[in-house]
Amino acid sequence: EIVLTQSPTTLSLSPGERATLSCRASQSVSTYLAWYQQKPGQAPRLLISDASNRATGIPARFSASGSGTDFTLTITSLEPDDFAVYYCQQRGNWPPLTFGGGTKVQIK
Amino acid sequence: QVQLVQSGAEVKKPGASVTVSCKTSGYTFTSYYIHWVRQAPGQGLEWMGIINPSGGSTTYAQKLQGRVTMTRDTATSTVFMELSSLRSEDTAVYLCARDFVSGSPSGAFEVWGQGTLVTVSS
Repeated sequence: EIVLTQSPTTLSLSPGERATLSCRASQSVSTYLAWYQQKPGQAPRLLISDASNRATGIPARFSASGSGTDFTLTITSLEPDDFAVYYCQQRGNWPPLTFGGGTKVQIK
Repeated sequence: QVQLVQSGAEVKKPGASVTVSCKTSGYTFTSYYIHWVRQAPGQGLEWMGIINPSGGSTTYAQKLQGRVTMTRDTATSTVFMELSSLRSEDTAVYLCARDFVSGSPSGAFEVWGQGTLVTVSS
């Protein structure tokens, strides 16, 4: 089973600041990595598929990169609506599909 | 538009079974695989398994093998997830999610249901 480790666990930032989230896989997943945003009481929302492809309707301030075992999600200028928990998820080697433990982006 | 609407919250006793439904609409039901994911209170996301609505074939997470059963009803475009021998650790929000790609299981989740809280308590 591929283990995904996200860091940091919590990121405290102000609106307008840049957020950089990391996801590391225990073995290569090529570019088969997705990022999801989840707000309290809501289902996750797909942000990025295949390491760097923004999903339909996702603003350009969200970007992502990486391949193999190291991946990054960047939010260039945080909007109030962006404060949430972000999960990475791999489909490079499954079953099982696995998720990282999440990074909470909170208001500083 | 594409929608996945799940059944309501459930409270069950340890040892019982629960069935959660996921009614789909807005697309061809048999064209997209459906996954089930669960999230314990305050915790992360755990993949439970996948069903092919076309033929009904399933793949389950090894951890849940023997306790989980996923089925579908093509007449109502609905997928069901039954979890048996419930224990307190099964208390979670259960979510269905449509796969990203038509015709084959990509392993990415494009559209999600709203979630169903299952509470296991004596």
